Amino acid sequence: EVQLVQSGAEEKKPGESLKISCKASGYNFPNYWIAWVRQKPGRGLECLGIISPGDSDTRYSPSFQGQVTISADKSVTTAYMQWKSLKASDNGIYFCARMTGVTTTGWFDTWGQGTQVTVSS
Amino acid sequence: QSVLTQPPSVSGAPGQRATISCTGSSSNIGAHFDVHWYQQLPGTAPKLLIYGDNSRPSGVPDRFSGSKSGTSASLAITGLQAEDEADYYCQSYDRSLSAYVFGGGTRLTVL
Repeated sequence: EVQLVQSGAEEKKPGESLKISCKASGYNFPNYWIAWVRQKPGRGLECLGIISPGDSDTRYSPSFQGQVTISADKSVTTAYMQWKSLKASDNGIYFCARMTGVTTTGWFDTWGQGTQVTVSS
Repeated sequence: QSVLTQPPSVSGAPGQRATISCTGSSSNIGAHFDVHWYQQLPGTAPKLLIYGDNSRPSGVPDRFSGSKSGTSASLAITGLQAEDEADYYCQSYDRSLSAYVFGGGTRLTVL
């Protein structure tokens, strides 16, 4: 069974750093792009970027370039997203999702359960 | 403001048909990029419902169907059931933004 299991909820203060994870199982991890998608309270979905775990090719949505860092470790079949300095506007639920298909026409066929990130002083 | 525009809410009685629209532009849906649809039940992660404009993953009932024309796409749900109450999102790729884009989501209420 294809599964993505994310790390638990985080509560941080503005200015702190954070790294959340997404552990993949049940498929050949290097062969599928992984996306990170944010959902802010009561709002829709936004894709922050994608990574190809096979070669670590990473593509950020322009709105999030420089705001987060996406990485992956093939040896532990895990993708990560990290912040150097959190802001209150980073509040939200962050999902990882496996992408299937060609990059520009790909779809997200498997999703992690989500990681709640709360940034508050 | 989302790049793809969806109505905030739609509703229908059990057994009836509901349709959710997704309007884009010449840089996304109109540029022939595929449209995909997701269902999000309260408190859960989104689930893939339709991919490649009109294909269903295994396990998704054929009551759900997708279509696309020009710069718009639609999701149709026939034989509405109480369990269909959820938020629905369309998704595509935008070549001007070089980004994967979602609609703002539509809340389906089964009356």
